[in-house]
Amino acid sequence: GQQVMQIPQYQHVQEGEDFTTYCNSSTTLSNIQWYKQRPGGHPVFLIQLVKSGEVKKQKRLTFQFGEAKKNSSLHITATQTTDVGTYFCAGPGGGTSYGKLTFGQGTILTVHP
Amino acid sequence: EAGVTQSPTHLIKTRGQQATLRCSPISGHTSVYWYQQALGLGLQFLLWYDEGEERNRGNFPPRFSGRQFPNYSSELNVNALELEDSALYLCASSLASWSGYTFGSGTRLTVV
Repeated sequence: GQQVMQIPQYQHVQEGEDFTTYCNSSTTLSNIQWYKQRPGGHPVFLIQLVKSGEVKKQKRLTFQFGEAKKNSSLHITATQTTDVGTYFCAGPGGGTSYGKLTFGQGTILTVHP
Repeated sequence: EAGVTQSPTHLIKTRGQQATLRCSPISGHTSVYWYQQALGLGLQFLLWYDEGEERNRGNFPPRFSGRQFPNYSSELNVNALELEDSALYLCASSLASWSGYTFGSGTRLTVV
């Protein structure tokens, strides 16, 4: 079945450093979504990318969708302590996986002040 | 606008018992999804309900079941609880199966 892999699993940075997490799908995706889960919280939808090669920005966050629509990345510029949490990518399935979002295992970001 | 609401927040059960978890989606959302998040693990898809019907289910045993009511709220039932069922159970709703999900705060189920 469809697999969505994320690297790295953990990332420790000093406040002010940049951070990037990468997401790869075993199948071509119609769209890719990104979520953030704060410690002790629930996942919160950040963004959805639909077009091949699409790049979207939200303040210090930059999201990219690969040309082949099988990979994506999230880059945070000048991290802050408020960026702490787990970042998940997720892709919709097709065939027998229709209607279900498959999540990557997430990247846990720790920001040291 | 109220978000996705889940109840109870915490639930403690004994092995072998049954647990019932409830979810109310955002008004206007007809799709409800259930995910299991065990400690240190990612989100594992359990069930998808839309318009009162089960549309898809993940790789979980039949003792995980649920339903969706006419008002689109949903409940998840877990029978014959096992220690490994201890996890955060998240409910989400969306306008369409391809759009972003809004998650509830979850039910923390502990099986002892």
